[in-house]
Amino acid sequence: DGGITQSPKYLFRKEGQNVTLSCEQNLNHDAMYWYRQDPGQGLRLIYYSQIVNDFQKGDIAEGYSVSREKKESFPLTVTSAQKNPTAFYLCASNNVGVNTEAFFGQGTRLTVV
Amino acid sequence: GEDVEQSLFLSVREGDSSVINCTYTDSSSTYLYWYKQEPGAGLQLLTYIFSNMDMKQDQRLTVLLNKKDKHLSLRIADTQTGDSAIYFCAERFKGNTPLVFGKGTRLSVIA
Repeated sequence: DGGITQSPKYLFRKEGQNVTLSCEQNLNHDAMYWYRQDPGQGLRLIYYSQIVNDFQKGDIAEGYSVSREKKESFPLTVTSAQKNPTAFYLCASNNVGVNTEAFFGQGTRLTVV
Repeated sequence: GEDVEQSLFLSVREGDSSVINCTYTDSSSTYLYWYKQEPGAGLQLLTYIFSNMDMKQDQRLTVLLNKKDKHLSLRIADTQTGDSAIYFCAERFKGNTPLVFGKGTRLSVIA
């Protein structure tokens, strides 16, 4: 059963702590993406990766870091430098080709307490 | 630059048609997409249209593309309460570039 899985669904973090959000896909997709969603803001791109061991900053990369050591995995670390980390985080992936539908995970809701 | 604009809210009565509008700025977009998001969930692709098409129909969904005005619309016929969700318009320029999303239109269906 192919898909893209994010975990955990809910995550609580104390201020000043780093936290890592998991994103795994078994669709054999080359490209993976992290978006942040805030009410009324739509989806804003944090980081993306088009190939293993390479990634690019999106529009709001400050305070976040990623790695792409394996094709299937694209974890996102929210660091203590991120000033407003409470949000809904969405991971997506797609193939590289003519029509490249992006598949989304179910999201992780991060709350800073 | 890249920018996708949508109105934020739409309310319709059950059984009526819903029309959600979107404007985009980059005429080099190759594909335009409509995604649906239910509360607390990820995004689900509803339909897409290639930039050399004017219209695409898929069951209750009709997508219209006006390239001259850079305007995209999604029409949902016979809207049901289960259609209540946030609908996102998105554009892509090439196959390996990130999707650019609008802010989403929250559709409320009144029974």
